[in-house]
Amino acid sequence: GENVGLHLPTLSVQEGDNSIINCAYSNSASDYFIWYKQESGKGPQFIIDIRSNMDKRQGQRVTVLLNKTVKHLSLQIAATQPGDSAVYFCAETGGSYIPTFGRGTSLIVHP
Amino acid sequence: KAGVTQTPRYLIKTRGQQVTLSCSPISGHRSVSWYQQTPGQGLQFLFEYFSETQRNKGNFPGRFSGRQFSNSRSEMNVSTLELGDSALYLCASSFLSTGGWAGELFFGEGSRLTVL
Repeated sequence: GENVGLHLPTLSVQEGDNSIINCAYSNSASDYFIWYKQESGKGPQFIIDIRSNMDKRQGQRVTVLLNKTVKHLSLQIAATQPGDSAVYFCAETGGSYIPTFGRGTSLIVHP
Repeated sequence: KAGVTQTPRYLIKTRGQQVTLSCSPISGHRSVSWYQQTPGQGLQFLFEYFSETQRNKGNFPGRFSGRQFSNSRSEMNVSTLELGDSALYLCASSFLSTGGWAGELFFGEGSRLTVL
């Protein structure tokens, strides 16, 4: 399979637990943030986004929190399922509309 | 609605050769971006095209080039391949029409290039 998970921070959780994936961004001018999920052998897929004028945004089982003071973004997944196992990337956009991606976090969900 | 389609999915080349990768964006999407993904460097931006014009370019050597056709389909070319070019090349399309708002990128499944 794809080896995009190598050299990445890894978060291991039990099925049913809540997961929190963190991301530090670098550009204080970034005004739009997206979380992507990449399953093995596939391209990244949009999960949820947030604008800089918001602190929190909720989706289905997912919540994104934005702390602009410390330039920190987090993704919370409620009741994590085996199908959530993937690599998760945060992406920031500011100035230019080309997103910059973080290194990614590998989430492993144990049944 | 068909997603982003990339061809070929897998290919093996030798050093010094050149390669062309193809990307068909989602119908109606006019912006196409290319990314290189490696375990060591993560997702690195190559270039972005809109209406057949390259609007943004990442920090890659001139061996990496691309183009976009009038139907928004895009190709990228890598000449004089090096071992370090082995990577997953991802294409993403977007409904972006003007600057200042990236919006959601829709990625294809990528073209896995191995250089021997």
